[in-house]
Amino acid sequence: DSGVTQTPKHLITATGQRVTLRCSPRSGDLSVYWYQQSLDQGLQFLIQYYNGEERAKGNILERFSAQQFPDLHSELNLSSLELGDSALYFCASHSAGGSGNGRANVLTFGAGSRLTVL
Amino acid sequence: AQRVTQPEKLLSVFKGAPVELKCNYSYSGSPELFWYVQYSRQRLQLLLRHISRESIKGFTADLNKGETSFHLKKPFAQEEDSAMYYCAPCILTGGGNKLTFGTGTQLKVEL
Repeated sequence: DSGVTQTPKHLITATGQRVTLRCSPRSGDLSVYWYQQSLDQGLQFLIQYYNGEERAKGNILERFSAQQFPDLHSELNLSSLELGDSALYFCASHSAGGSGNGRANVLTFGAGSRLTVL
Repeated sequence: AQRVTQPEKLLSVFKGAPVELKCNYSYSGSPELFWYVQYSRQRLQLLLRHISRESIKGFTADLNKGETSFHLKKPFAQEEDSAMYYCAPCILTGGGNKLTFGTGTQLKVEL
């Protein structure tokens, strides 16, 4: 177990629906990243949070949003779902820190949430 | 623009053959570079990082700042090396790190 927990493991839903994916980072990690992995697009960075604040944004659609809560868990909300949103959504965390922390830049990934939109 | 390129989408080699997975980056400053591996749609996991200068599972990667490359190499491929490999430069920013992944190279080791 990597320490990063994602739920649900697999979700099947219909077009137009809204889903929420949840991520609990590894204990002590302040940063959470969300990635989308699809067969045709590879691994796409969506968004990063650090200690509750948005830090960086990637290729995240306007229909998607995320947040990180005071207990550091994060949720990715996907709305008005389309067939093309079917993908594996990964969450990763790390302990962002200054120099001297050898593992500060290493991401620990969760097992992913597989979303299937029918 | 900051960019990481993995030119090969798929690399197929025979068992025992040498392997080189290419990675070129275009970043200002001095990024830290990583290779992550993903076996059979499992979670991504760190393979190695350039500052460690270590060999993991027989793989090594040398950072060439002149060529801005961080190619992953292994002298003798094994069947269990078949996986998706991602090169990932990381830029340290205030309060966090920005880690971007390349498009990945699927390594297939055949008998």
